[in-house]
Amino acid sequence: AQKITQTQPGMFVQEKEAVTLDCTYDTSDPSYGLFWYKQPSSGEMIFLIYQGSYDQQNATEGRYSLNFQKARKSANLVISASQLGDSAMYFCAMREGYTGGFKTIFGAGTRLFVKA
Amino acid sequence: DVKVTQSSRYLVKRTGEKVFLECVQDMDHENMFWYRQDPGLGLRLIYFSYDVKMKEKGDIPEGYSVSREKKERFSLILESASTNQTSMYLCASSSTEINEKLFFGSGTQLSVL
Repeated sequence: AQKITQTQPGMFVQEKEAVTLDCTYDTSDPSYGLFWYKQPSSGEMIFLIYQGSYDQQNATEGRYSLNFQKARKSANLVISASQLGDSAMYFCAMREGYTGGFKTIFGAGTRLFVKA
Repeated sequence: DVKVTQSSRYLVKRTGEKVFLECVQDMDHENMFWYRQDPGLGLRLIYFSYDVKMKEKGDIPEGYSVSREKKERFSLILESASTNQTSMYLCASSSTEINEKLFFGSGTQLSVL
């Protein structure tokens, strides 16, 4: 069955340091996409980064990069040079392909605290 | 500007009432989703739809039903609300491109008393 696991309920990081948020997944669909979203205290969901199951290179978007290890079924988010504004909830999500009806599920989330 | 609109930001209902949560998107998206968000549990998928009149159960469909009579509208129905359905409900939509992000509504905080 499709599943997303985020094992870190909360993380602390010092401002300007890098932090890695863990995400593991499970699916039987060979075609899938992995996403990270940020949810600040305002409640809006902000898309950060995407990685496709067939992508050979790790995705990067500015200070965000996705460490994709397909054999281990992990898709960790790396935030470099943390900023105070990065304090938020972070959700990993997986989307199945056509055969799965594009079903999209989320993990339980990790709350990141950035310290000044 | 693309939009997913949820009809209510806050709702208070009584146990046993029938509750309708409405979601409308203006992006001609095929896929629409209903999630509930609870602290420590993240977003859990209730139902999703990949076409008009098509619906699929998510991970926690019990106590809920959905309706999609028109492409732009996806309704979540609580047939007989219970206190354990008190939650934040998020609607989302997307195209059928696997790399397409979800577009979210602003959420409905439902309290069942």
